[in-house]
Amino acid sequence: DTGVSQDPRHKITKRGQNVTFRCDPISEHNRLYWYRQTLGQGPEFLTYFQNEAQLEKSRLLSDRFSAERPKGSFSTLEIQRTEQGDSAMYLCASSHRDRGRNTIYFGEGSWLTVV
Amino acid sequence: AQTVTQSQPEMSVQEAETVTLSCTYDTSESDYYLFWYKQPPSRQMILVIRQEAYKQQNATENRFSVNFQKAAKSFSLKISDSQLGDAAMYFCAYTEIQGAQKLVFGQGTRLTINP
Repeated sequence: DTGVSQDPRHKITKRGQNVTFRCDPISEHNRLYWYRQTLGQGPEFLTYFQNEAQLEKSRLLSDRFSAERPKGSFSTLEIQRTEQGDSAMYLCASSHRDRGRNTIYFGEGSWLTVV
Repeated sequence: AQTVTQSQPEMSVQEAETVTLSCTYDTSESDYYLFWYKQPPSRQMILVIRQEAYKQQNATENRFSVNFQKAAKSFSLKISDSQLGDAAMYFCAYTEIQGAQKLVFGQGTRLTINP
C-alpha cells in the first residue's frame, strides 16, 4: 500500500476550461475527503464521501465543482469553467471510520493554476 | 462553528534546540481530536501527533510532544532536539468525534531550523 495517490500533480489550464483530478485512497479506507489549500493558508474542507455516498459538501463547493466516488473506490473532482480564483492545491485524504483511530492520511495534492 | 487559531506565522530555532508552537481552538464539544500536521516543501501533509480530548495525558511521539490544556482550549506542540528535517509548515487541526470528522485547520506556522 503506497498511500493516497493523486493525479495529476500539476495542471495549468486556461480560464474557462474544465479540469478533473483523480484520487486513489488507501485501500479499504471507506472515507474520502477533498480539501482546497491556497498559498499561505491551511487546507479548507470541500466535501467527503463514506463509501460511494457523498455525505457533506462545503459552501465553498460551488455549482461548478462536482465530485464523485463510483463504487466507493477512487474519486474524481471536476471543476467546470475554471476561474483564476480556482488556482489552489486540491488535497485528497482518506481514513477508515472504524479502524486506526480514524487517522486521516493525505495525498501529495494536485496543483491547479488557472491562467 | 469550530475554529483553530495559530498566532505565530513564523518561528525559527537553532538546530538541536527546543521550540514550541502555539495553537488555540474553539468548540462547544466536550470530546474531539486534535492534531498537528507537518507540511514540508514537497507539500504532502504528514501527521505528527494526535490527542484525544478525553485523555488527560499529553501525547508524545519521539521528539514531539504536546501540552494539551482542555479548559484553556490550548494545544501547543513542543519539538525537542530540532533537526534540519523539521523545517516545514506546521498546522494545528481539530476534528469532531462524530459525523464527517472533517479537519478544521489553523493558518499554519512556518518553522525554520538554523544550522
